[in-house]
Amino acid sequence: GDSVTQMEGPVTLSEEAFLTINCTYTATGYPSLFWYVQYPGEGLQLLLKATKADDKGSNKGFEATYRKETTSFHLEKGSVQVSDSAVYFCALTNQAGTALIFGKGTTLSVSS
Amino acid sequence: KAGVTQTPRYLIKTRGQQVTLSCSPISGHRSVSWYQQTPGQGLQFLFEYFSETQRNKGNFPGRFSGRQFSNSRSEMNVSTLELGDSALYLCASSLETGAKNIQYFGAGTRLSVL
Repeated sequence: GDSVTQMEGPVTLSEEAFLTINCTYTATGYPSLFWYVQYPGEGLQLLLKATKADDKGSNKGFEATYRKETTSFHLEKGSVQVSDSAVYFCALTNQAGTALIFGKGTTLSVSS
Repeated sequence: KAGVTQTPRYLIKTRGQQVTLSCSPISGHRSVSWYQQTPGQGLQFLFEYFSETQRNKGNFPGRFSGRQFSNSRSEMNVSTLELGDSALYLCASSLETGAKNIQYFGAGTRLSVL
């Protein structure tokens, strides 16, 4: 079945460091891909999305490119801030588009 | 525009009881989905409703059920609670159903089963 694999955390970085969180997927058809972020005690917020191959999603300095040939959707940010500390989830839609399938989540901790 | 509202935010129940959680979607959204989040299993899809019809169901026992009302508000019910049902239950709404529709999440209901 469809699945998402993302790198295990936690990821610990200093402020202004470069961030990469790897995400690969297995899916039939052409799913849409998403990154969601969860701050402590809150629900999920959509960070960015891509709906077809080679699309680049971007938001708040974060970017991810839908790579069909490598089935990947890696999240990157050039310079992280303390306020970026959160749990990041990579997700895809199932073939019917009725459910999101999530990776296990990656905890990011940024120190000043 | 108000976001997705889930009530209550916190619940404590004992084994064997039943519980009902409520979700009010963003105004105009017709699709509501429910997810369970636990440290061990992560985020797992429970079910999706669109125009009062369940369109998809995840791999959960029949103790988990839901419904959607004509105003798109949704409830989920868990009967005969087990300790393993302790989790954060998240509701998400989207305008329509389908792969390109963005799901917007509420803050969740944290259920503790003692």
